[in-house]
Amino acid sequence: EIVMTQSPATLSVSPGERATLSCRATHSVRNSLAWYQQKPGQAPRLLIFGSSTRATGVPARFSGSGSGTEFTLTITRLQSEDFAVYFCQQYNNWPITFGGGTKVEIK
Amino acid sequence: QVQLVQSGAEVKKPGSSVKVSCKTSGGTFNSFAISWVRQAPGQGLEWMGRIIHSLNIPHFAPDFRGRVTITADKSTTTAYMELSGLRSEDTAVYYCARDEGDDSSVIFDNWGQGTLVTVTS
Repeated sequence: EIVMTQSPATLSVSPGERATLSCRATHSVRNSLAWYQQKPGQAPRLLIFGSSTRATGVPARFSGSGSGTEFTLTITRLQSEDFAVYFCQQYNNWPITFGGGTKVEIK
Repeated sequence: QVQLVQSGAEVKKPGSSVKVSCKTSGGTFNSFAISWVRQAPGQGLEWMGRIIHSLNIPHFAPDFRGRVTITADKSTTTAYMELSGLRSEDTAVYYCARDEGDDSSVIFDNWGQGTLVTVTS
């Protein structure tokens, strides 16, 4: 099983600033990596797939990068609605696995 | 636009079973797959298993194999997840999530609203 590790667990950022979230895999997942945003009481929402492709309707301030074992989600100019928990997910190998999440909170 | 609507919250006793449904609308039922993902209180996401509707062949995460049953009813475009041998650690919100049915691209672009299952004596 591929273990996904996200860092940091919590990221404190001021509105308007940039947030950089990391996701690391124990083995290469090529570019088979997705990012999700989850707000309290809601289901996750797909943001990024294929490591860097934004899902439909996702603002351009969200960008993903990386391949193999190291991935990054960057959110530029954080807005109030961006404060949430973010999960990465690999889909290169069975079983599908998720990272433990990074909570982006208001500084 | 595909919509997934799940059944309501459940309270179960240890050792019993729970069956959660996920009614789909929109899209072509046979062309996509449904996974079940759970989230314990304050915790992360855990993939449990998946079924491709056109094949009706499920895949399971090792931790759940033998304890979870995933089925799909094409006539009602509804997917089901049944978890047996419930224990307190199974208390979680259970989500159904859709992907395009491609085994090499299991990306969840639609999610149900979640079903809280509470296991308590």
